Amino acid sequence: AQSVTQLGSHVSVSEGALVLLRCNYSSSVPPYLFWYVQYPNQGLQLLLKYTSAATLVKGINGFEAEFKKSETSFHLTKPSAHMSDAAEYFCAAPDNYGQNFVFGPGTRLSVLP
Amino acid sequence: SQTIHQWPATLVQPVGSPLSLECTVEGTSNPNLYWYRQAAGRGLQLLFYSVGIGQISSEVPQNLSASRPQDRQFILSSKKLLLSDSGFYLCAVQGLRSAGELFFGEGSRLTVL
Repeated sequence: AQSVTQLGSHVSVSEGALVLLRCNYSSSVPPYLFWYVQYPNQGLQLLLKYTSAATLVKGINGFEAEFKKSETSFHLTKPSAHMSDAAEYFCAAPDNYGQNFVFGPGTRLSVLP
Repeated sequence: SQTIHQWPATLVQPVGSPLSLECTVEGTSNPNLYWYRQAAGRGLQLLFYSVGIGQISSEVPQNLSASRPQDRQFILSSKKLLLSDSGFYLCAVQGLRSAGELFFGEGSRLTVL
């Protein structure tokens, strides 16, 4: 069964520093991968999605993610963190049947002034 | 584009009382609909999903139930709430694009006392 892991439940960076949030999927290559962001007391918002068209995917708010099959990874990056990036980030993939979704446990990003 | 409405936004209920959370979707027809829960300090837990009117699949055995009386209406219910039912409940609709990503509502925060 498909599984998604996110290394680091909490990541802190300084404002202006590089943001790197890690996501790994299980051995079966998913057709799609997603990153979502959740601000406090809000629903999840789609940041970006991988659809096999390109391994480097650009999303909203300056985020991007790179699909690496050899590493079974889909890490999320942003060159320069902004205070407004403080939120929880979830990586997700369709399950093996394509009808449901498997979410990682989430990574809380804190941005320090 | 799809719009998801959830209400109430916030709810405080005593143990043993009933529950009804409603989710309605606009801008699409015959959508796949989902109920997720986020308990404090925990990730997303899929509770129910529905592929059509009256078609409900339960992912986790619990004292909650779901119904889909209309194409774009999804209701989460309980006859008697438990303390452990406290959490943030999110309704989601599956998008129509190839990746089929989920779009989430703003959530309903339930506190059971």
